[in-house]
Amino acid sequence: GESVGLHLPTLSVQEGDNSIINCAYSNSASDYFIWYKQESGKGPQFIIDIRSNMDKRQGQRVTVLLNKTVKHLSLQIAATQPGDSAVYFCAFYNQGGKLIFGQGTELSVKP
Amino acid sequence: SQTIHQWPATLVQPVGSPLSLECTVEGTSNPNLYWYRQAAGRGLQLLFYSVGIGQISSEVPQNLSASRPQDRQFILSSKKLLLSDSGFYLCAWSVGAGDTQYFGPGTRLTVL
Repeated sequence: GESVGLHLPTLSVQEGDNSIINCAYSNSASDYFIWYKQESGKGPQFIIDIRSNMDKRQGQRVTVLLNKTVKHLSLQIAATQPGDSAVYFCAFYNQGGKLIFGQGTELSVKP
Repeated sequence: SQTIHQWPATLVQPVGSPLSLECTVEGTSNPNLYWYRQAAGRGLQLLFYSVGIGQISSEVPQNLSASRPQDRQFILSSKKLLLSDSGFYLCAWSVGAGDTQYFGPGTRLTVL
């Protein structure tokens, strides 16, 4: 079946370091990918997205990289701050139009 | 700008009681609307989606139902809650199919 997997369920980084959260997907036909941030007790917040005609997209302190050859997606956070502590989900639309979510990676930032 | 609201924020209900959760969207017209449930420490499970007033699609068989009485209002209901209905319920909207989905703040439901 379709799936979006995360290589690391938890990630602990020092404040100021860069964070990299990885995601593997199984549906090679997907053309749109989204990263969400979810803080405890809150709804997921859109961070950044990327379409399959791109391999890199940058936002404020965040970069998403897409490797379609190996079906791998990553989210890079520069100069990680305590406020970045949250669970991060990758997601993609399947051919049926349903948004498929990964299980999430918990990012913990140590001061 | 668009905003999405959900209420109540938290709810504790006894088994067998009815349920009504409400979601409203502001700042957009004819959005696609979605209900998700999130179990503790897990990903999101799509429950229902709607592309227009009165149009509801159910993703999984369950004890819940959804209605869309107005363009920007989406309601999640149950006639009799089960213990397994406990969870974090999230409403989301998008401009159309395949577009970015934006989530509300969620409702934490505990069934005792």
